[in-house]
Amino acid sequence: DAGVTQSPTHLIKTRGQQVTLRCSPKSGHDTVSWYQQALGQGPQFIFQYYEEEERQRGNFPDRFSGHQFPNYSSELNVNALLLGDSALYLCASSLEGSGSYEQYFGPGTRLTVT
Amino acid sequence: QKEVEQNSGPLSVPEGAIASLNCTYSDRGSQSFFWYRQYSGKSPELIMFIYSNGDKEDGRFTAQLNKASQYVSLLIRDSQPSDSATYLCAVSSGGYQKVTFGIGTKLQVIP
Repeated sequence: DAGVTQSPTHLIKTRGQQVTLRCSPKSGHDTVSWYQQALGQGPQFIFQYYEEEERQRGNFPDRFSGHQFPNYSSELNVNALLLGDSALYLCASSLEGSGSYEQYFGPGTRLTVT
Repeated sequence: QKEVEQNSGPLSVPEGAIASLNCTYSDRGSQSFFWYRQYSGKSPELIMFIYSNGDKEDGRFTAQLNKASQYVSLLIRDSQPSDSATYLCAVSSGGYQKVTFGIGTKLQVIP
């Protein structure tokens, strides 16, 4: 049973650049949520994708955008990177309509902005 | 008031003891409650979830939920050094079950 995968593992970018992170959900899952986790903090909800649409969003600026593909995989894009965007970016998948709402996380992408 | 509150710790317990981790939440409409374990430098791993008032046991772990008090806890029996990690409490609410995390409690099990 394939778990959640994310790429790349690590990424170093310069302030002002743009970045794209990728996620493939756990086999059988159809919903993808993205989180940002700063050092020493809990994961902060960025947005959630279901049926290729963003259906809810946390308190993140429009510089953060995403996409979900027909195969349920997802991308997170961040434009005009700031130093404060340095964090662990986590993707979590779940199954809509399962009644249980458990989310399973991928290994994360560590983004460093210099 | 934070939506999900946890003491950041560290909570230190001797090997073999019971570790008790606590969490309170602000949204009375919250429906699902989760405990994740996160080792340093790794991603969160789901270890327990609970939906109904009362206790739910899985091996050495017991989750307890009291919706009237808006309180959820995790007990770890016979704590082992390998249990040393940060434990994140997460709560889902709203129509699409948005999940909100606490800051996490760092647990240290002393051999």
